[in-house]
Amino acid sequence: EVLLVQSGAEVKKPGESLKISCEGSGYTFTSFWIGWVRQMPGKGLEWMGIIYPGDSDTRYSPSFQGQVTISADKSINTAYLRWSNLKASDTAIYYCARRVGGSWSIDYWGQGTLVTVSS
Amino acid sequence: QSALTQPRSVSGSPGQSVTISCTGTSSDVGGYNYVSWYQHHPGKAPKVLIYDVNKWPSGVPDRFSGSKSGNTASLTISGLQAEDEAEYYCCSFAGTYTWVFGGGTKLTVL
Repeated sequence: EVLLVQSGAEVKKPGESLKISCEGSGYTFTSFWIGWVRQMPGKGLEWMGIIYPGDSDTRYSPSFQGQVTISADKSINTAYLRWSNLKASDTAIYYCARRVGGSWSIDYWGQGTLVTVSS
Repeated sequence: QSALTQPRSVSGSPGQSVTISCTGTSSDVGGYNYVSWYQHHPGKAPKVLIYDVNKWPSGVPDRFSGSKSGNTASLTISGLQAEDEAEYYCCSFAGTYTWVFGGGTKLTVL
């Protein structure tokens, strides 16, 4: 069974840093791209970027380039989303999601990580 | 405003069929056969129902079916069941490692 399990909810202050995680299991982690998706309160889903854990090739949506860093540690089947300077506007649920092998569709998703940034 | 347009809500009685539309442009839905549909219960991982417009992942019943015509993709749920009540999202590849999403449709089983 393919599973993407994300780290738990976080409460941070503006200016702080944060790294959330997404651990893949039930498939060959290094062979499938993993992306990140943001859902701000009451808003729709937004594509942030994607990484290929096999070689760490990373592509960002222009809206998120320079705002976050996507990385992966293939030794522990885990992808990460990192902020170095959180803002209140980063408050959202963040999902990781897998790209289908041999296709450009997205299939399996993590359960989401709620990030709250408040002073 | 989401890139793909879905109806905010649909409803149907048990046993009936409902169809949820997902309208984009020639740069996303109309340009690629990479549309996916997900069922989402709050607090849980979205569950893929359909990918590549009309393919089923293993374990998904064929009560769920997908199609596409021009810039509009559709998800049809036949033989509605109470447990189908959830939020449904569409997603389309939009080129150059970019994906776009619908705003979600709340399905109510009457």
